[in-house]
Amino acid sequence: DGGITQSPKYLFRKEGQNVTLSCEQNLNHDAMYWYRQDPGQGLRLIYYSQIVNDFQKGDIAEGYSVSREKKESFPLTVTSAQKNPTAFYLCASRSGAPYNEQFFGPGTRLTVL
Amino acid sequence: GENVEQHPSTLSVQEGDSAVIKCTYSDSASNYFPWYKQELGKRPQLIIDIRSNVGEKKDQRIAVTLNKTAKHFSLHITETQPEDSAVYFCAASPYNFNKFYFGSGTKLNVKP
Repeated sequence: DGGITQSPKYLFRKEGQNVTLSCEQNLNHDAMYWYRQDPGQGLRLIYYSQIVNDFQKGDIAEGYSVSREKKESFPLTVTSAQKNPTAFYLCASRSGAPYNEQFFGPGTRLTVL
Repeated sequence: GENVEQHPSTLSVQEGDSAVIKCTYSDSASNYFPWYKQELGKRPQLIIDIRSNVGEKKDQRIAVTLNKTAKHFSLHITETQPEDSAVYFCAASPYNFNKFYFGSGTKLNVKP
């Protein structure tokens, strides 16, 4: 389970505030991903990055922003423009060829009060 | 884009019985199909995967089958145990692995 960490584990935010979720990996993986998980649903892709200094919008990017200034780090900012931010957020990194396996962090549960 | 559908949403079996979870996908460009197990409050973990050049793969009590023509793939768990109880997700990814599309999950309950 080691190698990819997320912090904090629980996060509470007031409406109208931006918050940043941390994701760090020491697996030397180029690709990193952010997913949102709502109860009873699968994982939905917010943003992904295949390499440092490059990232792409996923299927539900509105109201979120990311940066990828370092290979090890891929922080996600949940902005006040995200209408329903309460969810479980999972970060992942992917190993290179030939396996291309995704490894997930432990997740951050964000609650908007 | 890709659409992955997963059935059933819940599955309850008796310990020792087999469990089968099915997924379909829509994009013929998908060629990598992983399965993840997520225990309550934990992160998803890869349990088995299959690539489009293979029709079946087995790892102890777990097997996955793929039918590319019909665009469906299935997870088979034999001799189920209470510790198999969890939510299972299927996923599909195209050849460049830039995106993973997930099914909605199956909650498996193995009754002792």
